[in-house]
Amino acid sequence: QQQVKQSPQSLIVQKGGISIINCAYENTAFDYFPWYQQFPGKGPALLIAIRPDVSEKKEGRFTISFNKSAKQFSLHIMDSQPGDSATYFCAASLDNAGNMLTFGGGTRLMVKP
Amino acid sequence: NAGVTQTPKFRVLKTGQSMTLLCAQDMNHEYMYWYRQDPGMGLRLIHYSVGEGTTAKGEVPDGYNVSRLKKQNFLLGLESAAPSQTSVYFCASSPPYLAAYNEQFFGPGTRLTVL
Repeated sequence: QQQVKQSPQSLIVQKGGISIINCAYENTAFDYFPWYQQFPGKGPALLIAIRPDVSEKKEGRFTISFNKSAKQFSLHIMDSQPGDSATYFCAASLDNAGNMLTFGGGTRLMVKP
Repeated sequence: NAGVTQTPKFRVLKTGQSMTLLCAQDMNHEYMYWYRQDPGMGLRLIHYSVGEGTTAKGEVPDGYNVSRLKKQNFLLGLESAAPSQTSVYFCASSPPYLAAYNEQFFGPGTRLTVL
């Protein structure tokens, strides 16, 4: 049973465009929602994260939007660049669960020059 | 700091063979994790450890064993490899929950093929 569902599986965006990746979760007890970025041949690395007490968090060109009532959150990449081409994973965790993360299935983003 | 390192980087096994993957971290982290990554399924937690000498099962533990004899090392063992265990394996570590955000630091991965 996949507790975090991510879409789309793949995404192609033109340079300068906006990339949007969506995730939905089932467990209302989740209270930490990070996004990880993975380049080919590398391990994932934390990109940005949010807790459910805020509806949006922005770091540079990356923004997380969070909708607690709909149990959904999304990653927006503004002014997408070819260097953003990577696989993105959303995740969710419980604070009292040993920092364990439940990951979505991943989105492979390609930004065309 | 090397961060999280994994050995080997690649390995090919025959069905029924056994092997051990080694993960080492030099960040003095308490928590360590083993994941497997398969296309379209994200990363799934195999086993994890919240401290030296302790281990626990994750989402997909069957066919794997782990040991955490030293704080800096976390070993993943495959007792009798099966083709279904063909995957990319990632180790990660994190400090205990103290800060507002909990970050897991990942190693570069081990690509395992079981024939």
